Amino acid sequence: EPEVTQTPSHQVTQMGQEVILRCVPISNHLYFYWYRQILGQKVEFLVSFYNNEISEKSEIFDDQFSVERPDGSNFTLKIRSTKLEDSAMYFCASSAQGGGTGELFFGEGSRLTVL
Amino acid sequence: GQQVMQIPQYQHVQEGEDFTTYCNSSTTLSNIQWYKQRPGGHPVFLIQLVKSGEVKKQKRLTFQFGEAKKNSSLHITATQTTEVGTYFCAGRRGGATNKLIFGTGTLLAVQP
Repeated sequence: EPEVTQTPSHQVTQMGQEVILRCVPISNHLYFYWYRQILGQKVEFLVSFYNNEISEKSEIFDDQFSVERPDGSNFTLKIRSTKLEDSAMYFCASSAQGGGTGELFFGEGSRLTVL
Repeated sequence: GQQVMQIPQYQHVQEGEDFTTYCNSSTTLSNIQWYKQRPGGHPVFLIQLVKSGEVKKQKRLTFQFGEAKKNSSLHITATQTTEVGTYFCAGRRGGATNKLIFGTGTLLAVQP
């Protein structure tokens, strides 16, 4: 069964450092998302991406965050200068249908720990 | 902004007992999805509801979308230990939006 893959599974970084989280969505999907989940809390929407551009972003997704689809297969989330409160599990998801009507397939997540 | 709340936050049941989680949105939704997240895992899609008053069943799971499309519920009959995890609803407002807003989740613990 096709799946979304994410790397790294865990990253520890110092506050102020840049972090890049990588995702390989399911190959025929066109809609991509990043969500994050602080331990034990709800899954928070960060950004959606379609046709090589951001279609929506949340208030959390400020200028420190950026996304890119550099080569047609990878989908990356960059945090320019990490803060302690960025510590969370970051989930990438993809779907075949847009408009929030399609099933989201989530990767296993990248746990980010900012010290 | 749009908020989606679930109650209860946590439910502990004996195996074989029933379980229900309720999802309430501050805004009318065009559709609602349900996901299950096992401890340490990632959300996995269960079902989508689109029509007002819609009811769907998956074996012992029954999903309902309210008439006003602002609330939903998931009921599990005779829970099994394999059903432990957090159940999230996720709703989309109408209009030109792709984003699914996840509810606060209900953690289900099942004691054998």
